[in-house]
Amino acid sequence: QKEVEQNSGPLSVPEGAIASLNCTYSDRGSQSFFWYRQYSGKSPELIMFIYSNGDKEDGRFTAQLNKASQYVSLLIRDSQPSDSATYLCAVNRRQLTFGGGTRVLVKP
Amino acid sequence: DAGVIQSPRHEVTEMGQEVTLRCKPISGHDYLFWYRQTMMRGLELLIYFNNNVPIDDSGMPEDRFSAKMPNASFSTLKIQPSEPRDSAVYFCASSPARISTNEKLFFGSGTQLSVL
Repeated sequence: QKEVEQNSGPLSVPEGAIASLNCTYSDRGSQSFFWYRQYSGKSPELIMFIYSNGDKEDGRFTAQLNKASQYVSLLIRDSQPSDSATYLCAVNRRQLTFGGGTRVLVKP
Repeated sequence: DAGVIQSPRHEVTEMGQEVTLRCKPISGHDYLFWYRQTMMRGLELLIYFNNNVPIDDSGMPEDRFSAKMPNASFSTLKIQPSEPRDSAVYFCASSPARISTNEKLFFGSGTQLSVL
C-alpha cells in the first residue's frame, strides 16, 4: 500500500462545476496535510493546507480532513479552465510524502 | 528574492557519464530538499538537509547518488555513473523551517534529466 494514494484521473469537469479530489493516507500519525497544484512542465505550488478535522475554505478551494478515515479531499468550486493541472496531495509525518497526483481537466 | 534556483534546466547525457545538478535555496531558509519526479513513481524525496547537514538520505536510490551542501547557499546532487532509469525531473526545494502546519516548500523550476 502506498503511503499517500490518489486517483490519477484525468478528472474531467465542465467549466463552472465543482471538482472533487480525494486522497487517502496510511500513517495514522500524520500531522498535517497539503494540496499542491502543478501545471504541466512547472513545479508544484502550495494551494491549501489543513491539520484539523473538518473543512477549511480559501476562496474557491475547500479542503476537508477526516483523520479517523485517513481521508483528505479538495473541492474546487466554479472550476475554470485555468484550474486544469495536476493536484498533489502531501502528508507530513517525519517528512513530506506526496501522492501521485490527480490530473484535472476543466472543459469550457 | 529570486526563489530557488536550479541549474541546468535540461541535461541530456549518455549512460555512464557523471551528472551534477545544482541548487541555490532561498536565502535564510534552513531546510533544503531534493525530490525526483517520474510518471511511474510520482514525486519522491531523495534527501534533505537542515543547516547544511544531511538529515535523512533514506530516499537516495543507490550509492550512485550523492548530495552535498557545502554552505547555506549551494547544494549539489551528483549521479555517477548515470543510467537511463535515472531520467526524471529533479526538483530542489527549500523551507524556512521544518514542515509543519503552516510552513511550505518553495520549489525550484526543476532539472529535466535525460540519460540515453
